[in-house]
Amino acid sequence: EADIYQTPRYLVIGTGKKITLECSQTMGHDKMYWYQQDPGMELHLIHYSYGVNSTEKGDLSSESTVSRIRTEHFPLTLESARPSHTSQYLCASSYSSGGTGELFFGEGSRLTVL
Amino acid sequence: SQQGEEDPQALSIQEGENATMNCSYKTSINNLQWYRQNSGRGLVHLILIRSNEREKHSGRLRVTLDTSKKSSSLLITASRAADTASYFCATDAGGYSTLTFGKGTMLLVSP
Repeated sequence: EADIYQTPRYLVIGTGKKITLECSQTMGHDKMYWYQQDPGMELHLIHYSYGVNSTEKGDLSSESTVSRIRTEHFPLTLESARPSHTSQYLCASSYSSGGTGELFFGEGSRLTVL
Repeated sequence: SQQGEEDPQALSIQEGENATMNCSYKTSINNLQWYRQNSGRGLVHLILIRSNEREKHSGRLRVTLDTSKKSSSLLITASRAADTASYFCATDAGGYSTLTFGKGTMLLVSP
């Protein structure tokens, strides 16, 4: 079992609301990631972090923002949600001294914006 | 992009049969990984094979890597209904790169 947790698992909100998806890991991993995945589709990297105070944008442009103030915590925020943000958001972490090793994933946060 | 591409997109077999999924990629890699995803859940790491390895086993899983053809295969032997899931390959170019995932193969194993 991976020690990485995402909350909420499911969220249904109205357009224009601000939301924060939480992700925490207890493995002491330096690297953390956010992927976006539509049902039955591939994963797209939207944000990643290699350590505290480090954040980078991924391959897929996203209106969301992230922060990494503590090693174990990597929250994702949408200031004003829109229906186009409806998707599943997967958080992951890894530890590797060279390249990317095994990723540990949370169970995901499924967001529906009405 | 060195995105992996899985083949087939979907595979339906009977319990006890073997399932083979293939992954192709475009540029040189440091390692290639396979993940499994049950419907609506997060991904679970299955196996990692490094660029200098040709074959790796883990239980009923067998992964091969052919860097000259830029391809990998995942074989699940004696499949079970519980193996029903989507399977993704992911490539790592090394250095400060991040994993790039393919589109996945949906495997359905019928009892």
